[in-house]
Amino acid sequence: TQLLKQSPQFLSIQEGENLTVYCNSSSVFSSLQWYRQEPGEGPVLLVTVVTGGEVKKLKRLTFQFGDARKDSSLHITAAQTGDTGLYLCAGALSGGSNYKLTFGKGTLLTVNP
Amino acid sequence: DADVTQTPRNRITKTGKRIMLECSQTKGHDRMYWYRQDPGLGLRLIYYSFDVKDINKGEISDGYSVSRQAQAKFSLSLESAIPNQTALYFCATSHSDSYGYTFGSGTRLTVV
Repeated sequence: TQLLKQSPQFLSIQEGENLTVYCNSSSVFSSLQWYRQEPGEGPVLLVTVVTGGEVKKLKRLTFQFGDARKDSSLHITAAQTGDTGLYLCAGALSGGSNYKLTFGKGTLLTVNP
Repeated sequence: DADVTQTPRNRITKTGKRIMLECSQTKGHDRMYWYRQDPGLGLRLIYYSFDVKDINKGEISDGYSVSRQAQAKFSLSLESAIPNQTALYFCATSHSDSYGYTFGSGTRLTVV
């Protein structure tokens, strides 16, 4: 059973376009994180959201945690080729500990020049 | 230098051989983890450790063992490598007071 489902699995867009990727679950999470992984490297933490309804911005990236803390989205405005990578969401289940994360399988984003 | 260093970066080994992957960190984090990443399967937890005396199995620990030699060092061993252990292996660290993992750059292991 896939606890965190990410969609779409693959996304290929042109530079300058906007996009949104999703991370959904039927479980409640106490916190949720987004990572970006580039080829040949480990995932790098982008953001952590902990409050239902929370919105965080990181330059052109906007992260939202659902009100019920079961889902999250990542919106990129005016995508650049440097945004290319695998985007992973990871969550700590509510009632569990923040140390044990469950990872989604990721959205592979390609931004074409 | 990287906060989390994994060695080797790439390794090809034969079926049945014992192999050790090493991880060291300069973050001062108390928690360390080993994951493997496979296409279509994502990141799966092999083992994790809260401190030198605390080792825990993850979801796919069969065929693997670990050693936490010091707070900064956590190694993963494959006692008798088999081809389906071919994967990208990541070490990660975290602090008990904060969210988020710091990952190493990974070891690409091929078992032939």
